[in-house]
Amino acid sequence: DSGVTQTPKHLITATGQRVTLRCSPRSGDLSVYWYQQSLDQGLQFLIQYYNGEERAKGNILERFSAQQFPDLHSELNLSSLELGDSALYFCASSVAGGSISEQFFGPGTRLTVL
Amino acid sequence: TQLLEQSPQFLSIQEGENLTVYCNSSSVFSSLQWYRQEPGEGPVLLVTVVTGGEVKKLKRLTFQFGDARKDSSLHITAAQPGDTGLYLCAGVRSGGYQKVTFGIGTKLQVIP
Repeated sequence: DSGVTQTPKHLITATGQRVTLRCSPRSGDLSVYWYQQSLDQGLQFLIQYYNGEERAKGNILERFSAQQFPDLHSELNLSSLELGDSALYFCASSVAGGSISEQFFGPGTRLTVL
Repeated sequence: TQLLEQSPQFLSIQEGENLTVYCNSSSVFSSLQWYRQEPGEGPVLLVTVVTGGEVKKLKRLTFQFGDARKDSSLHITAAQPGDTGLYLCAGVRSGGYQKVTFGIGTKLQVIP
């Protein structure tokens, strides 16, 4: 158990819909990272938040957005869903955001878009 | 095109065999990490190598970082069924904030 929790574990929805994925980082970790994992693309970095502020952006689509709240939990919002958005979405947390530090991954949310 | 190429993508071996998986890039990284991911779980960090030419051992696993800090290898001696999983390498670039790029992974199956 990494100490990072993600809900829900599974999510099945239809194209065009909007979903919200939730992540609670390890106690004391200030950074939260979101990743998308698919069979053909591997683990792709989406976005990072550090202590409530956006720190880095990766391959995140405009239809996707995220935020980190004062209690440090984070949400990833996916809208106008397409079939290709079906993937595993992981959240990871680390103590710091500006230096090399170990990322601890949650168990992931499996999103299926029908 | 993957920034980090991992090979092989799939590997199925018998228990007791040795194996090596590779992680290659044309980019230089400040450090390189190896993760193992089991089905239904997130990746778990195994090791971080920082210095070019560095070799780190973790029980039966040996990790090496290339001299030019562009590539890495993971060697497993006497593989066991518990080694089964997806092995991911991740290149880390620092400078303002940590940026991690993952390879697509090597899926290892160790048959008893």
